[in-house]
Amino acid sequence: GESVGLHLPTLSVQEGDNSIINCAYSNSASDYFIWYKQESGKGPQFIIDIRSNMDKRQGQRVTVLLNKTVKHLSLQIAATQPGDSAVYFCAVLSGGYNKLIFGAGTRLAVHP
Amino acid sequence: EPEVTQTPSHQVTQMGQEVILRCVPISNHLYFYWYRQILGQKVEFLVSFYNNEISEKSEIFDDQFSVERPDGSNFTLKIRSTKLEDSAMYFCASRYLNEQFFGPGTRLTVL
Repeated sequence: GESVGLHLPTLSVQEGDNSIINCAYSNSASDYFIWYKQESGKGPQFIIDIRSNMDKRQGQRVTVLLNKTVKHLSLQIAATQPGDSAVYFCAVLSGGYNKLIFGAGTRLAVHP
Repeated sequence: EPEVTQTPSHQVTQMGQEVILRCVPISNHLYFYWYRQILGQKVEFLVSFYNNEISEKSEIFDDQFSVERPDGSNFTLKIRSTKLEDSAMYFCASRYLNEQFFGPGTRLTVL
């Protein structure tokens, strides 16, 4: 079946540094990808999305890069802040009713 | 800003008991979902619901599970006879276009 995986379960960065979180997916037909942020005790929160017809999309302090050749997705957070500490999941949209297939999650720890 | 709400925030039950988890999706959304997250693991799809019927379900969603939209606002997940392995966070989500909005979750603890 379709799967989504993350390369690193934990990432520690210094405040102000840039963070890069990676993700791999299995289905080359996947069309739509989303990054979610999950803070402790809360539900996943949408950060940014990208369609397969794009290779880069930028938001406020976040950039998502998509490499369809190697089926790889990354989330870059610029000038990481303590409030960015959370678990980050990549997800792909699957099926006609748009269920989300989530990756395993990377815990981002931001140190002052 | 409209949001998905879920009740209760924490439910403790004995193995074999029935539980009903409740969700109020965002009012103009038409697609509804339940996901679960076992502690420390990834979020897993359970079921999607559209036009008053299940549109897709995962292998996890066996005949012990059911969903219902009993009125115009609530969306419920029922587990008929809970097992220890049902202990998890259960998230409801509703969708407008491609973006799914998640509720804060219900932590289910089965003893």
